[in-house]
Amino acid sequence: SQQGEEDPQALSIQEGENATMNCSYKTSINNLQWYRQNSGRGLVHLILIRSNEREKHSGRLRVTLDTSKKSSSLLITASRAADTASYFCATADRGSTLGRLYFGRGTQLTVWP
Amino acid sequence: DGGITQSPKYLFRKEGQNVTLSCEQNLNHDAMYWYRQDPGQGLRLIYYSQIVNDFQKGDIAEGYSVSREKKESFPLTVTSAQKNPTAFYLCASSMELTSGANNEQFFGPGTRLTVL
Repeated sequence: SQQGEEDPQALSIQEGENATMNCSYKTSINNLQWYRQNSGRGLVHLILIRSNEREKHSGRLRVTLDTSKKSSSLLITASRAADTASYFCATADRGSTLGRLYFGRGTQLTVWP
Repeated sequence: DGGITQSPKYLFRKEGQNVTLSCEQNLNHDAMYWYRQDPGQGLRLIYYSQIVNDFQKGDIAEGYSVSREKKESFPLTVTSAQKNPTAFYLCASSMELTSGANNEQFFGPGTRLTVL
């Protein structure tokens, strides 16, 4: 399968703590993206990191990419109850003329107030 | 407001009936996608379209059909041949479907289909 794999499958933390989610993939990529999904809703794009980038920040989000290990991590700092959601990584394969994304199975994050 | 809409939000059908899920976008995006989401399995690609009057099978196209007669619309029909159609269906669009592009996808709110 070309899908990414998130780890852990579920994560439960207290408000104010940091949450770290990991994603591993198998192919060479153009970019890797992280999405968020609230229960019963569509996905929302959070951040995109290109294959030649190692780290990217957006507000309380920090994404790293290690192409040698084919892995990425998403860090949410100072988490809030409103961060409770599922988080998915998605990869865009290098050399693909189709530009489709391959999604992982997601990490379910629960932040307790 | 710009965005992507799906209707209806909930849909119930009897086994053996075909059903069509609507997806409309006013983002002027060329590419559109249909995904199926089951618990614990993430998103699986059913069909995608790069341009009007063209579409390609994804990983789980059997039992589904699509059309792309207009740039804004990409309806999905779940046919009676789909053996396990109960699922959450998500439609998405992106600016272009080319290698190297920042192909961020914009998602609709989803349709939950239950076949009784």
